[in-house]
Amino acid sequence: DAKTTQPPSMDCAEGRAANLPCNHSTISGNEYVYWYRQIHSQGPQYIIHGLKNNETNEMASLIITEDRKSSTLILPHATLRDTAVYYCIVRVARGSQGNLIFGKGTKLSVKP
Amino acid sequence: ETGVTQSPTHLIKTRGQQVTLRCSSQSGHNTVSWYQQALGQGPQFIFQYYREEENGRGNFPPRFSGLQFPNYSSELNVNALELDDSALYLCASSVPDSQETQYFGPGTRLLVL
Repeated sequence: DAKTTQPPSMDCAEGRAANLPCNHSTISGNEYVYWYRQIHSQGPQYIIHGLKNNETNEMASLIITEDRKSSTLILPHATLRDTAVYYCIVRVARGSQGNLIFGKGTKLSVKP
Repeated sequence: ETGVTQSPTHLIKTRGQQVTLRCSSQSGHNTVSWYQQALGQGPQFIFQYYREEENGRGNFPPRFSGLQFPNYSSELNVNALELDDSALYLCASSVPDSQETQYFGPGTRLLVL
């Protein structure tokens, strides 16, 4: 079973920031938080990942709470092309236990 | 640098047949993982290959098997197809660094009639 809890759906206005929450209260010390998104019928797209510190790249920012029990993915200026299912996943870094366990994700709808 | 590619894009088979799906990993990636995604569900891990050996397997029966070749490309074989095998099959290759982030291909859509 997935180790994360996400809201099933969210709406966001185009041009505004989209803040997607994720709870992972049972996360272990060696597990990273990963975010992927999947646009209809395409392969999942890697967005960002982190261990303890906040992370930022060209796509998004990842904010991880100090106790690491929850995180938020931030898309700073959402566009219609950001409409997708967003998956929050916790995993160990490598080896045979590092496979991705997907939950149901959050369906983000960006509206004009 | 090319990304992960998969072939074919779509496939239709009948119950009881066998199917082979192919995946070319991203340049420099030596680990390949396969996932099955049924309609409306998240992807489910099938197995992973590292250096041509199976390196972890999810809850799938033995009729799901795979291979990895010296150039790190991979095949997924499914024997005795069942209607429930209809799904999007995804391949992901991993960066060989300390975190092995997985990058996915576009998938193969399999329909079993």
